[in-house]
Amino acid sequence: QVQLVQSGAEVKKPGASVKVSCKASGYTFTSYGISWVRQAPGQGLEWMGWISAYNGNTNYAQKLQGRVTMTTDTSTSTAYMELRSLRSDDTAVYYCARGQEYSYYWGQGTLVTVSS
Amino acid sequence: DIQMTQSPSTLSASVGDRVTITCRASQSISSWLAWYQQKPGKAPKLLIYKASSLESGVPSRFSGSGSGTEFTLTISSLQPDDFATYYCQQYNTQGTFGQGTKVEIK
Repeated sequence: QVQLVQSGAEVKKPGASVKVSCKASGYTFTSYGISWVRQAPGQGLEWMGWISAYNGNTNYAQKLQGRVTMTTDTSTSTAYMELRSLRSDDTAVYYCARGQEYSYYWGQGTLVTVSS
Repeated sequence: DIQMTQSPSTLSASVGDRVTITCRASQSISSWLAWYQQKPGKAPKLLIYKASSLESGVPSRFSGSGSGTEFTLTISSLQPDDFATYYCQQYNTQGTFGQGTKVEIK
């Protein structure tokens, strides 16, 4: 069965970076892209961007351009999302999801807390 | 960027009610729209894709319609398990979510 398993919760200081992983199993990793979506506490869903697991092409949300990098490691079927220059309003649950467009399969979420 | 506006933000309803949620896009997105249900502490669950295609395993009381800039999600007879927050998402250009509609018990 398809599974996306994310790395554990992180606590970071303002200005630091965080890298969240998403390990895929149960399907051919390179056949689907991975999208990243975040949700601040009590708020709605925010699309962050997408990476093709086939060729590494990326498409980032404009507001995160320059601070976010999405990568994949096809040898381990793992996708990564790195966010730099963290601010308090980056505190959120970060989700990976399979697919470039809509997503049926989602990771369990990773809470990233940015606090001094 | 394409903006997505959902209405209402909150909806109070009773079991058995017919419920309709609206999602408007700031420009035409053809039929490239999905609907999700989310419960507290859980990842979103895909209900509808391509505006009106029901995801496998989703009860038939859920339906979607619309194209261009105006879309609706309808729950024909609200069930206890349906009290949750619903989001639309356009995937015509990148991906943008609506702000969500919380369906609560009246």
